[in-house]
Amino acid sequence: KAGVTQTPRYLIKTRGQQVTLSCSPISGHRSVSWYQQTPGQGLQFLFEYFSETQRNKGNFPGRFSGRQFSNSRSEMNVSTLELGDSALYLCASSARDSRNSPLHFGNGTRLTVT
Amino acid sequence: GQQLNQSPQSMFIQEGEDVSMNCTSSSIFNTWLWYKQDPGEGPVLLIALYKAGELTSNGRLTAQFGITRKDSFLNISASIPSDVGIYFCAGQLYNNDMRFGAGTRLTVKP
Repeated sequence: KAGVTQTPRYLIKTRGQQVTLSCSPISGHRSVSWYQQTPGQGLQFLFEYFSETQRNKGNFPGRFSGRQFSNSRSEMNVSTLELGDSALYLCASSARDSRNSPLHFGNGTRLTVT
Repeated sequence: GQQLNQSPQSMFIQEGEDVSMNCTSSSIFNTWLWYKQDPGEGPVLLIALYKAGELTSNGRLTAQFGITRKDSFLNISASIPSDVGIYFCAGQLYNNDMRFGAGTRLTVKP
């Protein structure tokens, strides 16, 4: 089985721009979660999508949004980028249809905002 | 978000030594997970634990789900240079929310 695939791997943007990150989950996984990882804050939960619906949302401003498509692929969008948005953005998928459904992470998108 | 107490924060050990790290919380978890993250990569699932008291091995790695459901430990035996990385614990609540530890950075000296 192919793992979780995130594109692009690296991205450099300037303040004020917007960015869209993409995630393809493991085949058969219907849940996709997004996390922001920084050295100072660790892994911070952004949101989770399941069957095209947002199920949970972390404590991030409205500039961070996402969506999930019918094939379970997900995109995350950040508008009006700020320097503090520089981070590794990780996508994780899980089956979520049973109690024993751990998260499997992609390799992330490294976003640098200048 | 990050609500697990993971220790130690970092470890410097000699190749061949055993390693132990743990996570504790005030919350009760349904599942405990251990991940390893190499530089520039995403976390990779090492071991998943689903029952209180469960002891599970994966090669040189052994992890246990604490009886109280509030803690877990990970042991690595006979460490090798490729064990270098950051190890994260994660707890899954009954509502499927995840909590992560801050990570243990492991350095192995040949």
